[in-house]
Amino acid sequence: AQSVTQPDIHITVSEGASLELRCNYSYGATPYLFWYVQSPGQGLQLLLKYFSGDTLVQGIKGFEAEFKRSQSSFNLRKPSVHWSDAAEYFCAVGLSSGSARQLTFGSGTQLTVLP
Amino acid sequence: GAGVSQSPSNKVTEKGKDVELRCDPISGHTALYWYRQSLGQGLEFLIYFQGNSAPDKSGLPSDRFSAERTGGSVSTLTIQRTQQEDSAVYLCASTPGQPTDTQYFGPGTRLTVL
Repeated sequence: AQSVTQPDIHITVSEGASLELRCNYSYGATPYLFWYVQSPGQGLQLLLKYFSGDTLVQGIKGFEAEFKRSQSSFNLRKPSVHWSDAAEYFCAVGLSSGSARQLTFGSGTQLTVLP
Repeated sequence: GAGVSQSPSNKVTEKGKDVELRCDPISGHTALYWYRQSLGQGLEFLIYFQGNSAPDKSGLPSDRFSAERTGGSVSTLTIQRTQQEDSAVYLCASTPGQPTDTQYFGPGTRLTVL
């Protein structure tokens, strides 16, 4: 069965510093990969997604992620973090099995941004 | 346009009671998903509806959980004889229906079972 691992439960960075959130997946085929952000009291918002093609994906709010098949990873990066980026971030793997498609989520990484 | 809406936003119930959670997907979206987010954990898939096809119920944790989707639009997730471990945020998402579609999530219903 597929799985998603986000090894960092909580990350703290200073505003303006760079950020990398790790995501590793286990899946037999090329997966569909996603990063979502969840701010307090708000629903999940899609940051970016990878289906095929260029392995470096650009998303909203200045985020990017790189799919590395050899490492089974899809790490999220941002060169300069803003205080408003403080939130919980979820990596997800999407499956397509003909009649159904569901997302398997990691357990999330909580990001704290220091002034 | 309007996004996915869910009601109620918060629900507190007593152990053993039944609850119904409602999801209104984005108009025109044929696929609808329910997920559960327990404290400190990621989202857990519960059930998936696509058009008029039989739903994928593979994620439902027990037979106390059921869901229906009427008229291909609104969905109701029902939890019977609630237990304390059912306490979680229940999220609904919808997509236009293609496998590569982005899932759009509602704000969730926070269920607390006392």
